[in-house]
Amino acid sequence: GQQLNQSPQSMFIQEGEDVSMNCTSSSIFNTWLWYKQEPGEGPVLLIALYKAGELTSNGRLTAQFGITRKDSFLNISASIPSDVGIYFCAGQVKTSYDKVIFGPGTSLSVIP
Amino acid sequence: DVKVTQSSRYLVKRTGEKVFLECVQDMDHENMFWYRQDPGLGLRLIYFSYDVKMKEKGDIPEGYSVSREKKERFSLILESASTNQTSMYLCASSFQAGARTDTQYFGPGTRLTVL
Repeated sequence: GQQLNQSPQSMFIQEGEDVSMNCTSSSIFNTWLWYKQEPGEGPVLLIALYKAGELTSNGRLTAQFGITRKDSFLNISASIPSDVGIYFCAGQVKTSYDKVIFGPGTSLSVIP
Repeated sequence: DVKVTQSSRYLVKRTGEKVFLECVQDMDHENMFWYRQDPGLGLRLIYFSYDVKMKEKGDIPEGYSVSREKKERFSLILESASTNQTSMYLCASSFQAGARTDTQYFGPGTRLTVL
């Protein structure tokens, strides 16, 4: 079936550093989504990407929809302690409904 | 703001018990979803519903059933809880605009422990 791979699995960085994480798949997706989940909460949508090659920013976050439609990356610039959490990529594909498949997540820890 | 609420944040049940997890959304969304989240596996879809009284199996429906009697409420039922159903359960909802499904909004999750 369709699967997403995320790397790295976890990251420990110093406050102020830039972060880069990516998501790959053997399948093509119509939409790429990036969610963040803080401890004890449900995932919250950060960025949605709808077109191959699209580059979108949301504050210090930038994400791109890969040209092949099989990958996406998320960058966080100048990390701060509240960036801590698990970042999930998700791909959306049209089946009988708009199926969303989630990656296993990248756990980010920021050291003040 | 979209609000998705789940009836319990933490639940402890015994093997064989019937368990109900409730989810309510206040944005008149057509679609509602139940996922379970396990470390290293991400979110896996159990069931979803695109209308009242309608339901579709997700990727891991075994051992679960659902009920949607009202548009705003979607219940997940574990008929006979087992230890391998210990997990975080997340409910989500989304708006359906014609042929395109909008972004899913998640509740805070219910952490279920089955002893």
